[in-house]
Formats: sequence, structure tokens, C-alpha cells
Amino acid sequence: GAGVSQSPSNKVTEKGKDVELRCDPISGHTALYWYRQSLGQGLEFLIYFQGNSAPDKSGLPSDRFSAERTGGSVSTLTIQRTQQEDSAVYLCASSPEEGASIGTDTQYFGPGTRLTVL
Amino acid sequence: QKEVEQDPGPLSVPEGAIVSLNCTYSNSAFQYFMWYRQYSRKGPELLMYTYSSGNKEDGRFTAQVDKSSKYISLFIRDSQPSDSATYLCAMTEFGNEKLTFGTGTRLTIIP
Repeated sequence: GAGVSQSPSNKVTEKGKDVELRCDPISGHTALYWYRQSLGQGLEFLIYFQGNSAPDKSGLPSDRFSAERTGGSVSTLTIQRTQQEDSAVYLCASSPEEGASIGTDTQYFGPGTRLTVL
Repeated sequence: QKEVEQDPGPLSVPEGAIVSLNCTYSNSAFQYFMWYRQYSRKGPELLMYTYSSGNKEDGRFTAQVDKSSKYISLFIRDSQPSDSATYLCAMTEFGNEKLTFGTGTRLTIIP
């Protein structure tokens, strides 16, 4: 079946511009996650959605970052007034169940969006 | 100090060798430990998943967790060129959906 898809695969923007990154999770997956992967930094958690609500936004680095999820499916990560330090690969993952009762769920990752801020 | 430390490598070994990859962590509440494999320009894929201390084997891969030492390992036996990738350890607390990752170790298997 189809995996997690993300678009665009690459995005080059100028400093100060806004960008929107899209994630299509695996059909039926209720949980959705955004991570950022910077060179030499590993994956950094940004935000977690259960359905359309975001119980954990603790990883968003500043108020320039926001995310929403609609219809329990597609999610958009928006970065306003982009800065050069925002350059990274933004990864989305989804998982099938709430997970709290069994500890954790396997997260399935998309290929990522490579963002370059000039 | 990061919660999870992982040697970034790069690590190069000849085909057929045994590979040992390691992570240390500081949060004693971590109970679920994972290893992800990430090929270039791809998203990470789950390789191994272990709960609490102990060993888990899956084919050529063995994951070990030593909670007393806060140390986890991934062993790859009979390594193949197709194993060349970046290996990321990840861990989380019970009931917590947030994964904390190591920085990844870049592994190259030389034919």
C-alpha cells in the first residue's frame, strides 16, 4: 500500500518568505508527527497530532512554526519569515493507533522535504 | 548534554564483518528502544524495536539494551553492501509518542 508522502520534495526559498510543507499519512493512521533533521543533529521532534488535535507541540522551535491537520488526514507545517537556520529536512511520520495503552507505536516515515533558505 | 549520544562515524567495514553500533542515554524513564535505518535521501525505516532490557534477534540483526548502564547496541552479522546506510537509535518513555533520536551513525560496507 501507499506509504507516507510529503510535498514538495525540495523547497528553496529566500530568507523572510513563508513556506508550507505538506504531509499525507498512511490511510487510517490516527497519529501524525513532524520532525526536523539537520546536518549532524539527528531527528528533532517538532509536533504530534492525534486526530486533528495536537496534544504535544513542545518541539516547535519558535512561534514562526505552526502546524495543522484537517480531516484526521493531511497535515501542513508552516514556517513564517524563514531564517537560514530553518534549513533542514522536514520529516513526517504516521502511526496506526493511539499507542498510550501499549507504550508506543511504530512510526512510518515519509521521504522528507528538503528546505533550503537562502 | 544531549539526552541520547551516538557516535556519528563514519564507520567503514569490509563485507562479512560484524558491525557494532551503540548509543548511550541519560533519561532513566526511557523504556522503548528502537533502531532505524535511513538510506540517503529517504526517510528512516524501523529496523528493530525492544522493550526494556534484554536482547532481541531478527535475522542478521541483534539489538541489546542494558538499562543499568543506559547503553544500547545494534549488531549486524555478515554485513552486506546493502547495509550501507545511516543507523539511528531512538527511544521513548511509556505512553509518550515523542521519540528522542541519536544523531545517527553513517555505515559503509566495503565489498
